Amino acid sequence: DVKVTQSSRYLVKRTGEKVFLECVQDMDHENMFWYRQDPGLGLRLIYFSYDVKMKEKGDIPEGYSVSREKKERFSLILESASTNQTSMYLCASSSAVPELEQYFGPGTRLTVT
Amino acid sequence: DQQVKQNSPSLSVQEGRISILNCDYTNSMFDYFLWYKKYPAEGPTFLISISSIKDKNEDGRFTVFLNKSAKHLSLHIVPSQPGDSAVYFCAANPAPSNFGNEKLTFGTGTRLTIIP
Repeated sequence: DVKVTQSSRYLVKRTGEKVFLECVQDMDHENMFWYRQDPGLGLRLIYFSYDVKMKEKGDIPEGYSVSREKKERFSLILESASTNQTSMYLCASSSAVPELEQYFGPGTRLTVT
Repeated sequence: DQQVKQNSPSLSVQEGRISILNCDYTNSMFDYFLWYKKYPAEGPTFLISISSIKDKNEDGRFTVFLNKSAKHLSLHIVPSQPGDSAVYFCAANPAPSNFGNEKLTFGTGTRLTIIP
């Protein structure tokens, strides 16, 4: 069974703080993704990575950075949190082509006050 | 620019009846389509997929139909059960050929409520 875990289910941070969201997968997947989910906007891709130390911008990368030092771990960093980054953050992983199905973690509900 | 659209934000269906969720896309390069189901406070889980070489794929109570000329797909759930109440997302991907093509473009979701 594929398992994707995220470091926190709920997180409250203050404006301007640096925030780290951690994601770990145990299926040796090459690809990892960070999304945010907002009402009426669906899932929007922030960043993804198809290999260790590789990263690609998604649709909404502004205000975020990522790190992938090990294959199983993909971190999302908010350098200076802002209230408009309050959201549900979802991490996912998938094996390389041709399997396209992504497996998601349970999500982190981040509130920035 | 929303390339994958789910125009119905919500849908209510009586238990035992058919639920039909719709999804439209604009990018003609999309070649593979997936449906995900999401319960509150959980991550989305994969439900069913279809390749553009098919027009129908069935898995138990779930059937996905693809109309390439109309750039439209739909998910049919029959019979609907209370446990089907969730948010459903459709997603699309171009033909997988190069690195970077593995990312999915998601729709905005449809909240399905099954009425007992």
